[in-house]
Amino acid sequence: GAGVSQSPRYKVAKRGQDVALRCDPISGHVSLFWYQQALGQGPEFLTYFQNEAQLDKSGLPSDRFFAERPEGSVSTLKIQRTQQEDSAVYLCASSQYRGGETQYFGPGTRLLVL
Amino acid sequence: KQEVTQIPAALSVPEGENLVLNCSFTDSAIYNLQWFRQDPGKGLTSLLLIQSSQREQTSGRLNASLDKSSGRSTLYIAASQPGDSATYLCALGNDMRFGAGTRLTVKP
Repeated sequence: GAGVSQSPRYKVAKRGQDVALRCDPISGHVSLFWYQQALGQGPEFLTYFQNEAQLDKSGLPSDRFFAERPEGSVSTLKIQRTQQEDSAVYLCASSQYRGGETQYFGPGTRLLVL
Repeated sequence: KQEVTQIPAALSVPEGENLVLNCSFTDSAIYNLQWFRQDPGKGLTSLLLIQSSQREQTSGRLNASLDKSSGRSTLYIAASQPGDSATYLCALGNDMRFGAGTRLTVKP
């Protein structure tokens, strides 16, 4: 069956530009997570959805970061006025019911801000 | 705040060797612990999930143990193969706090 997919796989943005990253979770999965992974580091939690409800956004680094999942399936992570420190791989994961279960990760979107 | 440390940061072994990767954490009140592997340019693949009430999980050549009282988990890989070369990450709890990973290279 299809796994978690993310698009685009690579994105180059000029500083100050807005970007939108898309995540398609496994069909029927209730929970969806976004992570940011800097080079040589482990992923860092950004935000968590259960269906369309954003239950935890404590990891979002600033108010320039915004995530939504309006219909409880596809999710979009938006970064406004990108800065060089936003350059990282953004990973999306989904799990069948709730947090604490096995998470299935997408391949990530590699964002480079120049 | 939960701190997760993985030692060593990198490890190179000859094919066939048994090896142990370490994950330590500061707060023993964890919900669960997961081990993942990450191949270059790829997402993470879940290997083993240990609930807080469990002490170990096994899958094929992999065995993961959990000792909450000492704040440690180990991932044991038996009879390592070149295809095991990847970065191995541990993650704790509902909020999936990750270590920085151990980069493993298995030489043929």
